[in-house]
Amino acid sequence: EIVLTQSPATLSLSPGERATLSCRASQSVSGYLHWYQQKPGQAPRLLIYDASNRATGIPARFSGSGSGTDFTLTISSLEPEDFAVYYCQQRLSWPLTFGGGTKVEIK
Amino acid sequence: EVLLVESGGDLVQPGGSLRLSCAASGFTFSSCWMTWVRQAPGKGLEWVANVKQGGSEKYYVDSVKGRFTISRDDAKSSLFLQMDSLRAEDTAVYYCARDMSGRGSYHAFDIWGQGTMVTVSS
Repeated sequence: EIVLTQSPATLSLSPGERATLSCRASQSVSGYLHWYQQKPGQAPRLLIYDASNRATGIPARFSGSGSGTDFTLTISSLEPEDFAVYYCQQRLSWPLTFGGGTKVEIK
Repeated sequence: EVLLVESGGDLVQPGGSLRLSCAASGFTFSSCWMTWVRQAPGKGLEWVANVKQGGSEKYYVDSVKGRFTISRDDAKSSLFLQMDSLRAEDTAVYYCARDMSGRGSYHAFDIWGQGTMVTVSS
């Protein structure tokens, strides 16, 4: 099973600041990594698929990069609605696995 | 409008069974892989099971193998999760989601339902 480790667990930032979230895989997943956003009481929303491709309707301030074992989700300038929990997920092999999440909170 | 609506969540005793349903609308259900993902209270996301178009391939997380069965009825645009021998650790919100396999990527979940709560407790 591929283990995904997200860091930091919590990121405290102010609106307008840049957020950099990390996801590290226990083995190479090539570019087969997705990112989701989840707000309290809501279902997750797909942000980025295959490391760097924005899903439909996702604002350009969200970007993804990386390959192999190290991946980054960047939010260039935080909007109030971006404060949420973010998860990465690999699709290289079964079982599909998620990281533990990074909470982006208002400082 | 593309929509997924789960139902069937309930309070059930350990060892009991439950069948979750997910009604799809607004897209060609029969053309899509589908998935179940769960989230225990206050915890992260856990993938549970996937089923390919037509039901010919099914995949499960190890912790539910032999206890849960994913199935689909393409004529009714519905997805199911039969859960047997339930345990306390199965307590979670269960989401059904559309898998975008074949439409730009694989096993990314682009449409989600609102979730249904399953509580396993005596």
